[in-house]
Amino acid sequence: GQNIDQPTEMTATEGAIVQINCTYQTSGFNGLFWYQQHAGEAPTFLSYNVLDGLEEKGRFSSFLSRSKGYSYLLLKELQMKDSASYLCAVDNYGQNFVFGPGTRLSVLP
Amino acid sequence: DAGVIQSPRHEVTEMGQEVTLRCKPISGHNSLFWYRQTMMRGLELLIYFNNNVPIDDSGMPEDRFSAKMPNASFSTLKIQPSEPRDSAVYFCASTGWQGPDSGANVLTFGAGSRLTVL
Repeated sequence: GQNIDQPTEMTATEGAIVQINCTYQTSGFNGLFWYQQHAGEAPTFLSYNVLDGLEEKGRFSSFLSRSKGYSYLLLKELQMKDSASYLCAVDNYGQNFVFGPGTRLSVLP
Repeated sequence: DAGVIQSPRHEVTEMGQEVTLRCKPISGHNSLFWYRQTMMRGLELLIYFNNNVPIDDSGMPEDRFSAKMPNASFSTLKIQPSEPRDSAVYFCASTGWQGPDSGANVLTFGAGSRLTVL
């Protein structure tokens, strides 16, 4: 079966660091993606991990542990515009993308 | 590139009416996906095509839903007859999957079609 879990909501303060976790159990695995979705908009690509370890991209970093079925997205120097939903998604060998339920992040001043 | 183009952006219809949603994928992409998003169920995969061929339609809710991809640049998702529980945002997405060892296979979404069935 396919199962992806994320916390439903998180709150953090402007300028802080927040870590959004994702655990997964899927039938196939070709990589894990993180997408950002602002209210009323489409998801947009943030990061991709296929090998274990940390991928850094500016204020955003993503970590993957394939053996543990675990990933996290790290957001540094939070800004108000980072308030959005963050979805992790598993690429099942390019033939299927399974999305998690999403984590709604609220950044407070 | 104009990205993935969906139409209409908003549709309000009455129960029992036929609804057709349209999608133009990014040129050169060979895989196309239809998703439905609601607050309760999140982002659900309905169906996806690879090289215009439907590969997996197990996510299609029932026979009222059908999808076609007559060519590489156009796909439709049809609901007939529509019901209030079909109200959701329907996203089309495409990617240029080249095989299991092709590396990052980024899925690009259209802006979505917000459907309201009264």
